[in-house]
Amino acid sequence: AQSVTQPDIHITVSEGASLELRCNYSYGATPYLFWYVQSPGQGLQLLLKYFSGDTLVQGIKGFEAEFKRSQSSFNLRKPSVHWSDAAEYFCAVGLWNFNKFYFGSGTKLNVKP
Amino acid sequence: NAGVTQTPKFQVLKTGQSMTLQCAQDMNHNSMYWYRQDPGMGLRLIYYSASEGTTDKGEVPNGYNVSRLNKREFSLRLESAAPSQTSVYFCASSEDRMNTEAFFGQGTRLTVV
Repeated sequence: AQSVTQPDIHITVSEGASLELRCNYSYGATPYLFWYVQSPGQGLQLLLKYFSGDTLVQGIKGFEAEFKRSQSSFNLRKPSVHWSDAAEYFCAVGLWNFNKFYFGSGTKLNVKP
Repeated sequence: NAGVTQTPKFQVLKTGQSMTLQCAQDMNHNSMYWYRQDPGMGLRLIYYSASEGTTDKGEVPNGYNVSRLNKREFSLRLESAAPSQTSVYFCASSEDRMNTEAFFGQGTRLTVV
């Protein structure tokens, strides 16, 4: 069965520090991969997506993610975190041929001043 | 652009009551989805619809019914609400092609007492 694992439930970083959020997936082929962000009380906003090609993808708000096939991972990174980045982040897998998207359990990011 | 619109935003139900959550999208998408979000469990797919007139079960369909009224609208019905259905419900839509993501509504926070 397909699954998406985000091993870190909560992460706290200081403002200005770098950030890496981990995501691993389990699927027989290379799926389509996404990172979404959810601010409190809001819906989900797409940060970035990977379908094929260059394994390092750039997104909005200064985020980037790297697809590593050998590790079945799609980790999200940001070189310098801002207080406004405090939110919950979800990794997702898209299975186009089945019209489905599967989500990880999320990582809550807290930013210390 | 309105995108995906959900109503209501908040609802409190008594156990055994019924209600319908409404969702409409104005992006001419074929595929629509209903997810529930629970703490520590991410988003789980309840039902999805690949096109007008078709619906399929997702991971957690028990206790729910859906209707794809037309291409724009996809409703979720709770026939006899239970406390276990207390959750935040998200509707989403996507295009019917490979390199696409899901677009989300703002969510409905439902409490069953």
